[in-house]
Amino acid sequence: EVQLVESGGGLVQPGGSLRLSCAASGFIFSSYSMNWVRQAPGKGLEWVSYISGGSSTMYYADSVKGRFTISRDNAKNSLFLQMNNLRDEDTAVYYCARRETSDWYWLSWGPGTLVTVSS
Amino acid sequence: DIQMTQSPSTLSASVGDRVTITCRASQSISSWLAWYQQKPGKAPKLLIYKASSLESGVPSRFSGSGSGTEFTLTISSLQPDDFATYYCQHYNSYSGTFGQGTKVEIK
Repeated sequence: EVQLVESGGGLVQPGGSLRLSCAASGFIFSSYSMNWVRQAPGKGLEWVSYISGGSSTMYYADSVKGRFTISRDNAKNSLFLQMNNLRDEDTAVYYCARRETSDWYWLSWGPGTLVTVSS
Repeated sequence: DIQMTQSPSTLSASVGDRVTITCRASQSISSWLAWYQQKPGKAPKLLIYKASSLESGVPSRFSGSGSGTEFTLTISSLQPDDFATYYCQHYNSYSGTFGQGTKVEIK
């Protein structure tokens, strides 16, 4: 069974940093591209970042470019999101999602981890 | 950048109603469209991919149609478990753009 579980969320002050993790199990992690998606309280879904299976390609939403860094450790079946210079508007539940190899849709999602940026 | 616009934002319906949600893309996206259902406090659940392909295990009362710039999600007979928020998403090889969501409420 495919499982994705995020961790690392919490309360951080504006300008601070946080590193999110997504632990994957039940599939060959290195074979799949992964995404981070976020959802501000009471708002819709926003794609944040993408990384290919071998880490050769990464993409970011304009809203986080230059502040967030996506990475992965295939040996440890883990995905990461390093978030620096956090702003109030980064407050959200952050989800990791697996991109299917055929047709590119996102079937499997983790339950999410809440990041709150506030002084 | 491609923008995805859903309508309506909120929909009030009764159990047994036929419900249709529309999603429009700002430019042609072929059939690279998915539909998700989300309930409060939960992750999105994939219902439809490639505009009209029903994900395994999803009830057949859900269907998707369209291509190019206009797409629809139809629930043929609304059930109590279907009251939720629905999102369309244009996906490609390296990102995804979501519509703003449609909340289906009990009438």
